[in-house]
Amino acid sequence: AQSVSQHNHHVILSEAASLELGCNYSYGGTVNLFWYVQYPGQHLQLLLKYFSGDPLVKGIKGFEAEFIKSKFSFNLRKPSVQWSDTAEYFCAVNTNFGNEKLTFGTGTRLTIIP
Amino acid sequence: EAGVTQSPTHLIKTRGQQATLRCSPISGHTSVYWYQQALGLGLQFLLWYDEGEERNRGNFPPRFSGRQFPNYSSELNVNALELEDSALYLCASSLGDRGHQPQHFGDGTRLSIL
Repeated sequence: AQSVSQHNHHVILSEAASLELGCNYSYGGTVNLFWYVQYPGQHLQLLLKYFSGDPLVKGIKGFEAEFIKSKFSFNLRKPSVQWSDTAEYFCAVNTNFGNEKLTFGTGTRLTIIP
Repeated sequence: EAGVTQSPTHLIKTRGQQATLRCSPISGHTSVYWYQQALGLGLQFLLWYDEGEERNRGNFPPRFSGRQFPNYSSELNVNALELEDSALYLCASSLGDRGHQPQHFGDGTRLSIL
């Protein structure tokens, strides 16, 4: 069974700082990888996804993530954060069949200080 | 397009009662997933329905059950409610097995057990 680890539970940054949130997964086969964001009072929204191809994927709102297969990692990055990026971020994985259950990490709460 | 809709928003029950939660997927989506987001436990997969059939279930007792209707809407039933069932229940939908399709989430139903 797959598992996902997000080591940063709460990250606090100032506006314009660079962001990197860690995500590591455990699974021996091919996986699909996702980052979801949950803004205060809103539902989970898809930030970006990786299925195959270029390991550097770009998502909405200036976010990107890099899949490093050898490290079983899918870290989320943004070069310059804004106050509006304050939210909870979840990394998730499912198998290569594509529509099976998502296994989520425990989430990282990001607080941006204006 | 309308997103995934869930009802009710909040449900208050007492121990031993039964709860029914409802979900309407995005138009055209045939797969529905249920997740539980309990405090301190993160997002955990409950059930997956596709084309009216249960395709997979998570590590939950049989008193958690559900079904998917011909219009692809779904309901989750929880029998013999226990205090530990208090959680946010999220429904997600996707385009089914037409390639790699991400899951889109609703706002959730908050179930409180007194």
